This record gives sequence, structure tokens and C-alpha cells, in this order.
Amino acid sequence: EPEVTQTPSHQVTQMGQEVILRCVPISNHLYFYWYRQILGQKVEFLVSFYNNEISEKSEIFDDQFSVERPDGSNFTLKIRSTKLEDSAMYFCASRLGTRGYTFGSGTRLTVV
Amino acid sequence: AQSVSQHNHHVILSEAASLELGCNYSYGGTVNLFWYVQYPGQHLQLLLKYFSGDPLVKGIKGFEAEFIKSKFSFNLRKPSVQWSDTAEYFCAVIADTGGFKTIFGAGTRLFVKA
Repeated sequence: EPEVTQTPSHQVTQMGQEVILRCVPISNHLYFYWYRQILGQKVEFLVSFYNNEISEKSEIFDDQFSVERPDGSNFTLKIRSTKLEDSAMYFCASRLGTRGYTFGSGTRLTVV
Repeated sequence: AQSVSQHNHHVILSEAASLELGCNYSYGGTVNLFWYVQYPGQHLQLLLKYFSGDPLVKGIKGFEAEFIKSKFSFNLRKPSVQWSDTAEYFCAVIADTGGFKTIFGAGTRLFVKA
């Protein structure tokens, strides 16, 4: 079964550093998403992306965050200057239609 | 705005007990409903999903859920839990608006005593 692949599985970064989380969505999917789960909390929507532009973003997704689909296969989330509170599990998801909504296995980001 | 409510934050059961986790959503239009499970330290795993048709949906690991449109509910059930069902369970909805983002409930932590 097709999978959404996320790398790395765990990333440790120093506060203030830039970090890029990478995702390879399922190849024929058209809609892409990032979600965040702070330890012990629920999964929160960050951003949706379609046709090379952001279609919706949450309040969490401020100017420190950006997304990009640089080469037609990868979908990246960049955090420009990480803060301690950015420590979380970040999930990428993609879909063709709602029936094909698939989550990746996540990247655990630890900001120290 | 759409939202998902899970009534129980923590549930403790003994093995072989029956399980029912409540989930209600607030949205009057067409919704797609999901239950995900997250084992300790692991990622989200889809248990089951409802799009249309038979409101009683069967998923993996013996779980099932019933969509009751009039009650805006999608409760998860399992007749006999096992110790290995210890995990956190998230109800989620995709509404046909707002970019089709998934909205998650706060989760229910289930602990099954051996």
C-alpha cells in the first residue's frame, strides 16, 4: 500500500536554528498537509497546500513557518528560527480525494 | 467552526471488558469520520473510517464504530479489549469545507489492565 514518507524520524536542533522537515507524499496525490502534535496533546492542523500554494493555514502557522514543494515529489516544512515550544511530532499527510487521506509516520522535533 | 469532542479523557478497563468511546462532532454538512489509534511513542494508525453507506463500520483489530447522524456521533466500540489495546484513541472528522483538513478530538487514553 502506498505510504507517505517522512524524514528524519527524529531531529534535534538548537533554539534559534532553522529546521526543514521533509515529506514525500503519495505520488498521485494532489493535496498536502502538515499537522503538529505536542507531547500529550491532540493533533493540530498547521497548513494545507494545493496547486503550489497554501490553501488554508491555522493560527499556529505564523511567519516562522513556510512550506514548499520544491521538485514535484517532496513537500517540506521549514521553521526559520525554532523555539522550545516548537518541540513536537510533525505529521505530513496527503490525499487525492478524502478517501485517500494518508498520514506519514511523523518527525519528532526536539528543540534544545 | 467544526469541532470534535471526545467525552472520556482517560479510561481504565480490565481485559475482556467491553469498550465504548464517545465522539461527537459539530458540523451540519457532509462529513467523513475516522478513528485513529496511537500506541505509546508511535505514529497515528487508522482504525476505521466512514464515508457513506452502512453506518456501522468495522475496522482493524476488532474495532467498530457507529455513525448516528441525528446525534452527530461516531462512537468507537470493541466487545472485548486486550492489554495490547492500551493506547490513545483519536476521533477525527473531515468536513466538506475549509480545505478538507482533518480536525481531531482531544483523544482518549485507554489503559487495559492485564
